[in-house]
Amino acid sequence: QSALTQPASVSGSPGQSITISCTGTSSDVGGYNYVSWYQQHPGKAPKLMIYDVSNRPSGVSNRFSGSKSGNTASLTISGLQAEDEADYYCSSYTSSSTLLIFGGGTKLTVL
Amino acid sequence: EVQLVESGGGLVQPGGSLRLSCSASGFTFSSYAMHWVRQAPGKGLEYVSAISSNGGSTYYADSVKGRFTISRDNSKNTLYLQMSSLRAEDTAVYYCVKDLIAAAGVGDAFDIWGQGTMVTVSS
Repeated sequence: QSALTQPASVSGSPGQSITISCTGTSSDVGGYNYVSWYQQHPGKAPKLMIYDVSNRPSGVSNRFSGSKSGNTASLTISGLQAEDEADYYCSSYTSSSTLLIFGGGTKLTVL
Repeated sequence: EVQLVESGGGLVQPGGSLRLSCSASGFTFSSYAMHWVRQAPGKGLEYVSAISSNGGSTYYADSVKGRFTISRDNSKNTLYLQMSSLRAEDTAVYYCVKDLIAAAGVGDAFDIWGQGTMVTVSS
């Protein structure tokens, strides 16, 4: 099964807002409200930022928010900060036997 | 402190086998489904396998089905991944990952990740 589709890179200036998209199909993103987002800094393990489309785990800044429309989920980061520069991955439950798939990842650059 | 510590990675020849272990601490291991996720050098995340909290249900990515076996020993708070018929494309950092929510089934969000163990398949 192919990975979910994310833009390879996005960028923004400090204080601005950016949105990262994650496009799948009706068998994954569009069919279930089980989309998560992870942040990964270089050389570090990923960190859960959003789960079940729009829920934030305890301790995650409210500058991070998630949404979904049809087969596309989105992660929005408001009030960009330098420490937000990282790779971001979406994931979704899938009806295939694999159970879950990841997006290809998006590199966020804070200008 | 909730912690996952992987071990068992290393260099192995194509066609060889390796068993990864993940030691869990700081939470009730037997209450959570567990997963393995890998990341090839310079590449993105790839879902590998999952196992339910009691070990009764397992899931595998198509790329490893029939070659990898996930298991757990709840008495030892340890997760395993037995890898056989290894290929160059299996070269990656392998992360042990914990489900966000304690449940009988297998979840889709992971709140705790280990530091990863590197597996290199090369002659």
